[in-house]
Amino acid sequence: DAGVTQSPTHLIKTRGQQVTLRCSPKSGHDTVSWYQQALGQGPQFIFQYYEEEERQRGNFPDRFSGHQFPNYSSELNVNALLLGDSALYLCASSFLGPKTEAFFGQGTRLTVV
Amino acid sequence: AQSVTQLGSHVSVSEGALVLLRCNYSSSVPPYLFWYVQYPNQGLQLLLKYTTGATLVKGINGFEAEFKKSETSFHLTKPSAHMSDAAEYFCAVSDQAGYSTLTFGKGTMLLVSP
Repeated sequence: DAGVTQSPTHLIKTRGQQVTLRCSPKSGHDTVSWYQQALGQGPQFIFQYYEEEERQRGNFPDRFSGHQFPNYSSELNVNALLLGDSALYLCASSFLGPKTEAFFGQGTRLTVV
Repeated sequence: AQSVTQLGSHVSVSEGALVLLRCNYSSSVPPYLFWYVQYPNQGLQLLLKYTTGATLVKGINGFEAEFKKSETSFHLTKPSAHMSDAAEYFCAVSDQAGYSTLTFGKGTMLLVSP
């Protein structure tokens, strides 16, 4: 079992550009959540996808959008990048429900210059 | 709204000493609580979780945590620290609205000296 895989591992973008991050969930999982972890901070919830729909969203602007595909993989898109978007972006997969364990990928380190 | 407070951004212990990482939560409903560990340049790995039942929860690598409702706490302990325990530790709470989203604390970096 490959676990949760994210790509790319590192990315450097310029302010104003757009970026797409990708996530493949752990085999059998149907729910994907995205988190942003700024340097020295805990992860912050961005949004969650289940059955190809955004089920819940954290306190992030509309510049952050996502998608889930029929095979449960997911993308996170960020438009009009700001310097403050520099962070580690973590994808977590699970079954839907509050008791289930969320398995995290290694993350994508995004640097905006 | 839920929140998690981790007391101490850094905790230093000697190898073999007791590890105690503190976590207090705020939740309007009975919480589900988790501890995750993060090694440098890695994702998060679940150490242990409390959902219902026994309030003393045992996890991987010799860690355990006790849910104390009256104190709204879920402190993480390990009797004897090992050099390999050096990492960042995050306490998290899950809502019970049918989703599996997590609210994390800011983390505590555990430093272990020989």
